[in-house]
Amino acid sequence: DAKTTQPTSMDCAEGRAANLPCNHSTISGNEYVYWYRQIHSQGPQYIIHGLKNNETNEMASLIITEDRKSSTLILPHATLRDTAVYYCIVRVNRAGNQFYFGTGTSLTVIP
Amino acid sequence: GAVVSQHPSWVICKSGTSVKIECRSLDFQATTMFWYRQFPKQSLMLMATSNEGSKATYEQGVEKDKFLINHASLTLSTLTVTSAHPEDSSFYICSARGGLTGARVNEQFFGPGTRLTVL
Repeated sequence: DAKTTQPTSMDCAEGRAANLPCNHSTISGNEYVYWYRQIHSQGPQYIIHGLKNNETNEMASLIITEDRKSSTLILPHATLRDTAVYYCIVRVNRAGNQFYFGTGTSLTVIP
Repeated sequence: GAVVSQHPSWVICKSGTSVKIECRSLDFQATTMFWYRQFPKQSLMLMATSNEGSKATYEQGVEKDKFLINHASLTLSTLTVTSAHPEDSSFYICSARGGLTGARVNEQFFGPGTRLTVL
């Protein structure tokens, strides 16, 4: 199963863009990249996912490199409420389609 | 839409007792539910995958006789921690998949979690 590597923690100034990187060098060609975030003592919240193309929704943008070995989640205008642990997940592409969470990045948005 | 609830949100029990945690998909039918455990300052660890009407598939290292999973309907899965001990104290989170099609068909919706403290 493809493993993800993320920085342990990051800071971002309020109102600025937060760019969260993720390495997934062993990803297979048909495995999707998902991003979730978890605010303290709550269940994870879906942010975005993608396969090959860059994706954008109302929460964030996902940039996937051409070789698909890494991706970046972009929060365009970070707010204090974006302070959370962000998980980059490569969805297993077999029966069950499980998520295996890595260590995640603890993002702190600073006023 | 796509709301998942858990009950209870917090439970304290004595060592040796059993605790049941419920996971419900409130506005969709969940074809698959998942159970995770999260220790303080750690990531989520997948415990088992549960499909309605069939036996759960447990991850390596997870004792199926200790963590009993029942998925009797498309909207309810239960996790029973049997003979709980202090080391079982953790944050238990369920997720459900279903109700969406197309590109979001495999998206998981997570419950708010249940904090178990075993004295």
